[in-house]
Amino acid sequence: AQSVTQLGSHVSVSEGALVLLRCNYSSSVPPYLFWYVQYPNQGLQLLLKYTTGATLVKGINGFEAEFKKSETSFHLTKPSAHMSDAAEYFCAVSENDMRFGAGTRLTVKP
Amino acid sequence: DAGVIQSPRHEVTEMGQEVTLRCKPISGHDYLFWYRQTMMRGLELLIYFNNNVPIDDSGMPEDRFSAKMPNASFSTLKIQPSEPRDSAVYFCASRPLVATGELFFGEGSRLTVL
Repeated sequence: AQSVTQLGSHVSVSEGALVLLRCNYSSSVPPYLFWYVQYPNQGLQLLLKYTTGATLVKGINGFEAEFKKSETSFHLTKPSAHMSDAAEYFCAVSENDMRFGAGTRLTVKP
Repeated sequence: DAGVIQSPRHEVTEMGQEVTLRCKPISGHDYLFWYRQTMMRGLELLIYFNNNVPIDDSGMPEDRFSAKMPNASFSTLKIQPSEPRDSAVYFCASRPLVATGELFFGEGSRLTVL
């Protein structure tokens, strides 16, 4: 069965700094990988996804992620953090169902 | 499209009472998922349906929990009797047929059992 591990339950960066949120996956088949964002008291919204093709995937709000099969990783990055990026971020892997990591809370300091 | 619609948004009840959470998926989506979110356990998949048929309910914690999908536009998650440890946010999500498709989430139902 597929699973996801997110390294770091809490990441804090300064505004304008690089954002790096780590995700490693386990899957018995070629994985479909996703990053979601959750703002307080809201549901999850899709940031980006990888299915096939180009391994560098661009998403909304300036985020991108790179699928690295050799490292079984799908880390999320953004070159310059904005205050509005403060939220909870979830990595997920899908076969028939979808399994989520434990989440990483991103704090952005002014 | 209105998106995935869940009700109620908030529910406060007393231990032992029956709780029913409702979900209307996006029209045309073949899959429906129920998740539970808590601080301790994160997002747990409870059950999912394909074309109204339950496919995997291994995540349903106990017999007190049951879920139905009588038609393509409606699903319920019922807890009877409820316990304080059931307090959580319950999310419904739907997805088109293909596994590469993302899940579309409702805004959740926050349940508090006193």
